[in-house]
Amino acid sequence: DAGVTQSPTHLIKTRGQQVTLRCSPKSGHDTVSWYQQALGQGPQFIFQYYEEEERQRGNFPDRFSGHQFPNYSSELNVNALLLGDSALYLCASSSMSPSSYNEQFFGPGTRLTVL
Amino acid sequence: KQEVTQIPAALSVPEGENLVLNCSFTDSAIYNLQWFRQDPGKGLTSLLLIQSSQREQTSGRLNASLDKSSGRSTLYIAASQPGDSATYLCAAKAAGNKLTFGGGTRVLVKP
Repeated sequence: DAGVTQSPTHLIKTRGQQVTLRCSPKSGHDTVSWYQQALGQGPQFIFQYYEEEERQRGNFPDRFSGHQFPNYSSELNVNALLLGDSALYLCASSSMSPSSYNEQFFGPGTRLTVL
Repeated sequence: KQEVTQIPAALSVPEGENLVLNCSFTDSAIYNLQWFRQDPGKGLTSLLLIQSSQREQTSGRLNASLDKSSGRSTLYIAASQPGDSATYLCAAKAAGNKLTFGGGTRVLVKP
């Protein structure tokens, strides 16, 4: 089991550009959540996808959007990048099955730098 | 709105000492509380998950307790080793699977 995978590992973009980050969940998981972690801080919840729909959203602007595919993988899109979007973006997968206790497993993250 | 706080922000101990990491949360209506370890520039590794109905969980040298009524969880690491040096994060799960994280405690274990 490869666990949660994310691509790319690192990205450098300039202000105003758009970026797409990708996540493949752990085998057997059907739910993907995205988090933003600024340097020196704890992760902040962006949104969660289940059954190809956004189920819950944190306090992030509409510039942040996502998608979930039938194979449960997910993309995070950020438009009109700002310097403040520079962060580590973490993907977490879990299962909606009650027996799983919804334990979340995290990927290695994508480091986004906006210049 | 759930708020999670971890104090202290940083901790330095000599090898062999026991570590005690604190986590407090404002809304006791949680489903579970999860402790994670994060190495510099890396993702999060799940250490322990305590269900809201449980009081503690143990895994090897790690023990985590949960007191919902006081809004506190504590992670104990026995006989610390230099390899335990990392940032430790706690996260409270509310309805809908969203995790609310604390700011983390950065731990340095000196040989």
